[in-house]
Amino acid sequence: AQSVTQPDIHITVSEGASLELRCNYSYGATPYLFWYVQSPGQGLQLLLKYFSGDTLVQGIKGFEAEFKRSQSSFNLRKPSVHWSDAAEYFCAVGPRDDKIIFGKGTRLHILP
Amino acid sequence: KAGVTQTPRYLIKTRGQQVTLSCSPISGHRSVSWYQQTPGQGLQFLFEYFSETQRNKGNFPGRFSGRQFSNSRSEMNVSTLELGDSALYLCASSLAGTVEQYFGPGTRLTVT
Repeated sequence: AQSVTQPDIHITVSEGASLELRCNYSYGATPYLFWYVQSPGQGLQLLLKYFSGDTLVQGIKGFEAEFKRSQSSFNLRKPSVHWSDAAEYFCAVGPRDDKIIFGKGTRLHILP
Repeated sequence: KAGVTQTPRYLIKTRGQQVTLSCSPISGHRSVSWYQQTPGQGLQFLFEYFSETQRNKGNFPGRFSGRQFSNSRSEMNVSTLELGDSALYLCASSLAGTVEQYFGPGTRLTVT
């Protein structure tokens, strides 16, 4: 069955430090993969997506993610976080029958 | 171009009542999906409409229903509200033939 796992519920990093959020997926074929960010009281904003081709994808706000088929992973990275990056991050996979499946999310906290 | 809009943004209802939420997609987007977001269950897919037809449905009871109008605007209805229906309801729209979804800010429903 199609699924997405984000192993870390909370992550805390210092401002200026690097960030990596983990995402593992289970999917029967080459998946479409997404990372979304949700600020408090807001909807979800698409950060980046992977459909095919180059396995390192660049997104908005300085984020990037790398698709690793052998590890069934699509981890999100940022070289230097800013206080405004504090939010909840969702990895998603799809579509299967046109449904996108979301992970449970990772809440990112930033220390000043 | 205006984003996805949802009305109302906040709603308080009593158990047993019914509620209707509205979603206006981005201009030109004909697909509208609805999600329920709760702290315990995360983001769960409710249903998707395309050209006034329900194309996909998640695993929710029949109390949850939706429809889409000819102008692509969509409504979802929850009848006989239960306390567990308290959640953030998110609407997302996408262009025909694409999988990228653009989310609205959500409607926060509280059932007392």
